[in-house]
Amino acid sequence: DVKVTQSSRYLVKRTGEKVFLECVQDMDHENMFWYRQDPGLGLRLIYFSYDVKMKEKGDIPEGYSVSREKKERFSLILESASTNQTSMYLCASSFTRVTKYEQYFGPGTRLTVT
Amino acid sequence: SQQGEEDPQALSIQEGENATMNCSYKTSINNLQWYRQNSGRGLVHLILIRSNEREKHSGRLRVTLDTSKKSSSLLITASRAADTASYFCATDGSSGYALNFGKGTSLLVTP
Repeated sequence: DVKVTQSSRYLVKRTGEKVFLECVQDMDHENMFWYRQDPGLGLRLIYFSYDVKMKEKGDIPEGYSVSREKKERFSLILESASTNQTSMYLCASSFTRVTKYEQYFGPGTRLTVT
Repeated sequence: SQQGEEDPQALSIQEGENATMNCSYKTSINNLQWYRQNSGRGLVHLILIRSNEREKHSGRLRVTLDTSKKSSSLLITASRAADTASYFCATDGSSGYALNFGKGTSLLVTP
């Protein structure tokens, strides 16, 4: 079975801190994604990566950056955390273009910024 | 950008009843997918239906797709308490890589 793991289930950070969220997948998937999920807004795409060192902005990239140095690992970075970044963060991966294949999700990281 | 929109937003039924959720979308698609999310967890893929398919079954799940109406429905037959979750439809986005998710239908199945 495909496994997508995220470094933390719950995280509490202070405003202004630099925050790293890590995601690892074990199925040699090409594509990896970061979403945030908020009540009433559903899932919104922050960034995705279709290859090592490649990244593309999603719908809400402001305040975030990403890093993909290895195929299995995709990191989301909050350069200076703010309270409006309190959210559930979901990582996902897929084999190739989603015109053909489904995405596999990690369990999520619930981030609280105080 | 969110393209899919589920209806209803919330649904409450009793065990043994069928649950039907609908999804409407705006632009042409290659496929439409349904996912389930248990409270506080990640999403789990349920079923993928391609644009040239009209109906697909998987266990107690039945998905239909009407591309002329830009809509899909997910039917869960003989619901169980364990089916309590949020259900999302997702369509392939313009990039071909990312998915566009709706806001979900929250299903509550009571014993």
